[in-house]
Amino acid sequence: GIQVEQSPPDLILQEGANSTLRCNFSDSVNNLQWFHQNPWGQLINLFYIPSGTKQNGRLSATTVATERYSLLYISSSQTTDSGVYFCAVEKTSYDKVIFGPGTSLSVIP
Amino acid sequence: ETGVTQSPTHLIKTRGQQVTLRCSSQSGHNTVSWYQQALGQGPQFIFQYYREEENGRGNFPPRFSGLQFPNYSSELNVNALELDDSALYLCASSHRTKPYEQYFGPGTRLTVT
Repeated sequence: GIQVEQSPPDLILQEGANSTLRCNFSDSVNNLQWFHQNPWGQLINLFYIPSGTKQNGRLSATTVATERYSLLYISSSQTTDSGVYFCAVEKTSYDKVIFGPGTSLSVIP
Repeated sequence: ETGVTQSPTHLIKTRGQQVTLRCSSQSGHNTVSWYQQALGQGPQFIFQYYREEENGRGNFPPRFSGLQFPNYSSELNVNALELDDSALYLCASSHRTKPYEQYFGPGTRLTVT
């Protein structure tokens, strides 16, 4: 099956700093999403981005499908950005969703 | 618009017992997926239900089973509980036409002793 890797596994940032999270996947995929899981366990869908670039406020994401990676950019980080960021892929629509191991982000004041 | 809800929030069971977890999907959604998230790991896909039938399954044994009801709510049943079943169980709903727009519930934390 598809393997999903995320880096770095852990990240500590000072409030206001920028960061880039990476997701590599081992095979072509039809769907790719980024999620944020807050410290209370709630998973929030950030981006659906099988290819191209999207932006939503301080967050943006880029997927280069031909090279099998996606990047999540967080600018001007805030303490509320803390939590775990997951990349999840599907090889085809309606297939099982495969999550990566996540990047744990801590933003300190 | 009502979001995805799950019950109970927390549950403690003994090895060998059976458990039923419940999920109410978001209004307008007709597809429900269940995930198991062990501590420190990403969620793992258990199965998905659409039109009251299982529509895809991950690498979980048959003692993990589910149901979807006509109102699109769903149950996850686990028989013969094992210690390794201790995890956060997440339910996500979506509409069949937009499978990538999944909305997750808050989860049920299951502890097996």
